[in-house]
Order: sequence, then C-alpha cells, then structure tokens
Amino acid sequence: DAGITQSPRYKITETGRQVTLMCHQTWSHSYMFWYRQDLGHGLRLIYYSAAADITDKGEVPDGYVVSRSKTENFPLTLESATRSQTSVYFCASSEVHEQFFGPGTRLTVL
Amino acid sequence: SQQGEEDPQALSIQEGENATMNCSYKTSINNLQWYRQNSGRGLVHLILIRSNEREKHSGRLRVTLDTSKKSSSLLITASRAADTASYFCAMDEPLSGTYKYIFGTGTRLKVLA
Repeated sequence: DAGITQSPRYKITETGRQVTLMCHQTWSHSYMFWYRQDLGHGLRLIYYSAAADITDKGEVPDGYVVSRSKTENFPLTLESATRSQTSVYFCASSEVHEQFFGPGTRLTVL
Repeated sequence: SQQGEEDPQALSIQEGENATMNCSYKTSINNLQWYRQNSGRGLVHLILIRSNEREKHSGRLRVTLDTSKKSSSLLITASRAADTASYFCAMDEPLSGTYKYIFGTGTRLKVLA
C-alpha cells in the first residue's frame, strides 16, 4: 500500500525495556521525522533525517535512538523505556515542506 | 530556537460561524504551515504561507501572516461539524538549512451542529 505506515499501533511495555517503533514510507521522500504528542505540548520533534544515513536531533532527543539505513525506513528505539516516554508517537515524511503523517503509535510504559 | 504557541487552546462555536485561531512564534521564518488533526489520527497539511506573503486562501480557509509581529492566523469561514479537529501551526528554521519544522501547541476546535 502506498503511503506511510507505523507499527505497532499500540504497545504496552515495562520500565527499562527496549522498544522499537517502526516507520515505513513508499514515496521515497528524502526527509523523515519522529514526533511525540503529549497533552499541553503539541507535537515535539524527537529526531529527523534528511536522507539515508543522515540523522539529527530535534527538540527532545534524550532517551531515543534512530537509524536510517534505507530511504523508506526510519525506526525509533527507546533503549531503556521510562514512564515519561508514555506518549503517542508520530512518524512523518516529506520531500520539501509538506509533511505526510503516519497514523501514530500509542505507547504506554508501566 | 524556534517555538510556537497557539491561541486559544480550545474554541467552541456553532455551525455556520467563523473560527479564528492564532499562532505566535519566536524566531524569523521563511515558511509557515497549518495542519489539521482529527481525533486519534495523524496530521494533515492544510496550507503553506511564505514570509513574503501576507494572506493566502484555500477554499473556506484564509491564512494571514504578519512577520513584524511574528504571528499568523487561520480563519475557517462558515464552519461545519466536520471541521471539529485540532489545528496546528508549524514554522521552519531557516538557519537549519533543512525542511525541519517546529509545531505549535495546537487549538482544539469544536463545531456544534
């Protein structure tokens, strides 16, 4: 299917566990982004990537790791999950300005 | 660094009325976008306005930009129940040399039928 997909859509994990959220886009867009959305904070940029093998920190990168070995995939890893990382995570892609968003992953850290 | 804030945080109006949302930002921009988010869904792009534009229209949407005040507004005319959603502004960071955008905190709009 064309577009941008995220998996899983829902995830419950425990404090200290490693979690990887997946993002896949079929447009071959150069840019990909990870955001978290929390009540009262809007969307905050975690990491972004301008191309394969090029990544950079956003506003709230601590506790997260990303990689981009292929243009179409941009996984986000929480190396040791904390309760403060309970949130809804959105992936997006763009070629220039307009960003196309995935459906989101709701992550709960117990 | 760039920051965005929207006002009001929440807005409730009757169907047929106009809805106005405001966005203020901290540092100079080249481009500003508005996005819409239906409950539980990803954001959808509505409109982009460039720093050399003062006003832009798209259907029932009217966006204004005042770079001297570092602010933008989104007007939805003749609102419908289907316009119920959250609306976000997003500002670029020209010095970053990238297409990275910083999003505002959003306005939750409820249109009552």
